[in-house]
Amino acid sequence: GAGVSQTPSNKVTEKGKYVELRCDPISGHTALYWYRQSLGQGPEFLIYFQGTGAADDSGLPNDRFFAVRPEGSVSTLKIQRTERGDSAVYLCASSLGLAVYNEQFFGPGTRLTVL
Amino acid sequence: AQSVTQLDSHVSVSEGTPVLLRCNYSSSYSPSLFWYVQHPNKGLQLLLKYTSAATLVKGINGFEAEFKKSETSFHLTKPSAHMSDAAEYFCVVSGPNSGYALNFGKGTSLLVTP
Repeated sequence: GAGVSQTPSNKVTEKGKYVELRCDPISGHTALYWYRQSLGQGPEFLIYFQGTGAADDSGLPNDRFFAVRPEGSVSTLKIQRTERGDSAVYLCASSLGLAVYNEQFFGPGTRLTVL
Repeated sequence: AQSVTQLDSHVSVSEGTPVLLRCNYSSSYSPSLFWYVQHPNKGLQLLLKYTSAATLVKGINGFEAEFKKSETSFHLTKPSAHMSDAAEYFCVVSGPNSGYALNFGKGTSLLVTP
């Protein structure tokens, strides 16, 4: 079956611009997670959803970052007033539900470059 | 807070020789531990997980890891490396203090030489 998909695969933008990154989870997965991976580092947690609600957004670095999941499926990560330090690969994952034993399946990521 | 430390940023082995990737964890509670692999231009894939059942965990592609509470370690091993094992490996911890978020180590890059 189809895995987690993310669009676009690459996004280049200018400092100060607004960007949206999209994640399509595996069908039937109610939990959805966003991570950010900077060059040479492991992924860092940003936010996760159970259904439509953000269950934990403690990893969002500041109020320029926001994520939504209005219908409990597709999610959009929104970044306002982008900065060069936002350049990274943004990873999305989904799982059957919020439980440690439920495997998180990762998408291929969106590489964001802020010039 | 929970965290993991991967003790080697790069490991190089010859094809057919054993692989050892080292990971130590820090956790106030009984953690759940994972190893993920990331091949170039591919998504992260779960290799194996420990969630308080058997301390020796077997994963995919011949990998296994042993949870040692006394040493706070969760090292990844494989008896015989294949060329296809060359990739980035991440040790990961999750648990009560972090909800369901995964806390990744910095990664170990495994190089397999012919």
